[in-house]
Amino acid sequence: QLQLRESGPGLVKPSETLSLTCFVSGGSISSSSYDWGWVRQPPGKGLEWIGKSYYIGSTYYNAALKSRVIISVDRSNNQFSLKLSSVTAADTAVYFCASWSRCTSSSCYRLFGVDYWGQGATVIVSP
Amino acid sequence: EIVLIQSPATLSLSPGERATLSCRASQSIDTFLAWYQQKPGQAPRLLIYDASNRAAGIPARFSGSGSGTDFTLTITNVEAEDFAVYYCLDRNNRPPWTFGQGTKLE
Repeated sequence: QLQLRESGPGLVKPSETLSLTCFVSGGSISSSSYDWGWVRQPPGKGLEWIGKSYYIGSTYYNAALKSRVIISVDRSNNQFSLKLSSVTAADTAVYFCASWSRCTSSSCYRLFGVDYWGQGATVIVSP
Repeated sequence: EIVLIQSPATLSLSPGERATLSCRASQSIDTFLAWYQQKPGQAPRLLIYDASNRAAGIPARFSGSGSGTDFTLTITNVEAEDFAVYYCLDRNNRPPWTFGQGTKLE
């Protein structure tokens, strides 16, 4: 069972870069069985998929954020990170890290699970 | 990019009733659809994956159906703990992925 935990500053100034790290325990980030990604939720609004990355590349991003976002995997420290540049108040949100299994069969899902989520980190963009 | 439209935005029911939530995709996503439940202050909780498979530990009153562009989450005999917001997620093999805008069950 994977466990994920977000960490990072809770307050970021406008125009700066938001940086969050997700620490992974209970499994290896180098596993071929998972994608690693981020989802956010502005106050009072719905979920927004930010992007996901496989440990050897194959990174995908939300088209609306693509020019500002980088998701990277740190195999040596078993963690992955989110960087969102040029933030504005609209980037204020709870940011969740998540892992999604790459399974296509029920036996695989039973072994690796379907998805795992962190508890969420609140980030406020304000001067 | 695929767009998911959920309906209704709000569903008002009483305990014991049947809830039917819809998610429609702008193009076919086969059965690459998941349903999540979210309560205030909590991370989303996976209910259904691959359109119709219940996740581990999810009660049998939750069921999913559909393929292609039209999907349904059904909750038979709604219980008090089921009142929450429900989201569908396109998990197709051609990212990016997208969430629907959510249905609030009240």
